[in-house]
Amino acid sequence: QSVLTQPPSVSAAPGQKVTISCSGSSSNIGDNYVSWYQQLPGTAPKLLIYDNNKRPSGIPDRFSGSKSATSATLAIAGLQTGDEADYYCGTWDSSLSVGVFGTGTKVTVL
Amino acid sequence: QVQLQESGPGLVKPSETLSLTCTVSGGSISNYYWSWIRQPPGKGLEWIGYIYYRGNTNYNPSLKSRVTMSVDTSKNQFSLKLTSVTAADTAVYYCARDLGSGSYCDYWGQGMLVTVSS
Repeated sequence: QSVLTQPPSVSAAPGQKVTISCSGSSSNIGDNYVSWYQQLPGTAPKLLIYDNNKRPSGIPDRFSGSKSATSATLAIAGLQTGDEADYYCGTWDSSLSVGVFGTGTKVTVL
Repeated sequence: QVQLQESGPGLVKPSETLSLTCTVSGGSISNYYWSWIRQPPGKGLEWIGYIYYRGNTNYNPSLKSRVTMSVDTSKNQFSLKLTSVTAADTAVYYCARDLGSGSYCDYWGQGMLVTVSS
């Protein structure tokens, strides 16, 4: 059972911007860095954002992350059809001593 | 480029032990943490635990009584054992490189579907 809550789905037209929220608590997001993953259909998750707002090499700057208190946000600008995927936030929970992931958000490009 | 590959039986009988191995290529297993994560069909991600190359482990409390992880640095491999499996353990199992004891995973295996069924 996920302790991080995300909206089930978001959608927008090509070229538009979408944001995905990830809501947690003081023991997880409030106390640790947040990462974001993109999971294209039938494939393994791919790291998009780490340490709240850093992008690994090769990830376009259309993807950005931010964190405030016990919530985090992933923004995707200039939406492309290839961005249709499930997106997950992740972090560590200091109280539970466990890695935790969000419930996942499906992005649809209209 | 670091690559990870899961291997093991794709079908396990209820009450038996699920055993998977992850082989790391293109880089050394040393000096890193290595995680196992699973995803039941149509559902979200669940962190199983991680092992440091020196053998230190940290398991998800919900699975701790059934999980054992080990590492073989000579083969650049690490492994997962999950005992007393039930249908609820049916999932795609991923191995991944963890950059800091449960912080984030930068390289993932392609995943392996393990089905628990008689």
